Order: sequence, then structure tokens, then C-alpha cells
Amino acid sequence: EAQVTQNPRYLITVTGKKLTVTCSQNMNHEYMSWYRQDPGLGLRQIYYSMNVEVTDKGDVPEGYKVSRKEKRNFPLILESPSPNQTSLYFCASSPRAGGPSYEQYFGPGTRLTVT
Amino acid sequence: GIQVEQSPPDLILQEGANSTLRCNFSDSVNNLQWFHQNPWGQLINLFYIPSGTKQNGRLSATTVATERYSLLYISSSQTTDSGVYFCAVGSMDTGRRALTFGSGTRLQVQP
Repeated sequence: EAQVTQNPRYLITVTGKKLTVTCSQNMNHEYMSWYRQDPGLGLRQIYYSMNVEVTDKGDVPEGYKVSRKEKRNFPLILESPSPNQTSLYFCASSPRAGGPSYEQYFGPGTRLTVT
Repeated sequence: GIQVEQSPPDLILQEGANSTLRCNFSDSVNNLQWFHQNPWGQLINLFYIPSGTKQNGRLSATTVATERYSLLYISSSQTTDSGVYFCAVGSMDTGRRALTFGSGTRLQVQP
């Protein structure tokens, strides 16, 4: 089944404890992206990747890191989480980074709470 | 940046009723998608519809790109249709493919 998976789905952690949220897609998509969803602010893009080893900042990159060593994986890293990073996180992927736009496929979401 | 407005913000229906959700956007787009966010927070792809009309079961959508709006039709609504419906667009001005989401329509279908 074609899908985007995220792990963990739920996480409660403490301030300053490094964590990684994994994202994997099995559709051979070039483009991958991370969003966060917050009440009243909607969904905002954190980082995106046009292809392996090509990443760039979105609208709200502060406090996050990403890497794209393999085409299928795009982990989101919080080096020192803070309570303002409590949010619902979504990973998305899309075929081909260049040319006309393509449909984006979203993962199931990761609900993160930082205390 | 591009603005996306959805209406109505809230909608309460009886099971079996029909509804139309609207999405207006402020500029030309190269992507328009409709999502349903269920009570567990998952975003379910409904339609990829930058232009034209599509149907999937009880749901259909129409986008008139030249007039900068899209409509989502739900017929014979069921309680499982409850949740928040989002319209999201991709602007032609940005190469980073970020989707701009509307604020959503919260739908409650009562039995």
C-alpha cells in the first residue's frame, strides 16, 4: 500500500531531551516536507526537501533540523525541545520536485507534547 | 502570500443532508487539495483538484481556477463525515511547494 508513515504517533517528553520523529514513504517520491499544526495558526511548513541531500527552510524552521540521506526517509530532529514545540506534526511527500505541481500525500501525524 | 478563505467556518447537519463547502483563494495556484481531518487528527486526502470537477462516491469537488474558488459537495451525509475539512493551495510563486491551508470548515453530522 502506498503510504507515508511517521513514528512515533504520540510522544510526551521533557524540555531539552533530544528527539527524532521519523518519516518514511514507499512511493519513490522526490519531494518531502514537514508541517506543524497549531490551534489558531493552522498548518505551517517547517522544512522541505527537493531530493536526496537537498533540504531547505520553510516558514518556521527555528528549533528543528532535518536530513535526507535516503530518498524514502526524511527525519525531523528536535535537538533541544521546548514547550512551544508542542504541536501536531505532519510529514508529506510528492512525486518529482520540478515541473508542474503534484498531489501531496500526508502521513498520519505525530502528536508531540513537551513539558 | 496567498490567502485562503473557507466558508462556512462551522456547519451542523442532520444525517442524510447535503452540504456545500467553499474555498476562495487570492491568487493563481498550481495545486489545490481538499482534506478531511478526522477526530484522531489524521489528514485524509479527498481530492487533488487544481481545476475541473471530480467525484468520489458521495463527495465531489469543483475548482474554477479562473475565478479562484473551489467547492466541495457532500451528499447524504453520515456521522463519519464529521470533522474538519481543509482546502489547501500551492502558489505558483514558490518553488518550495508549501501548501497554504485555509482555516477549515468544522462539520458536525448528527444522527
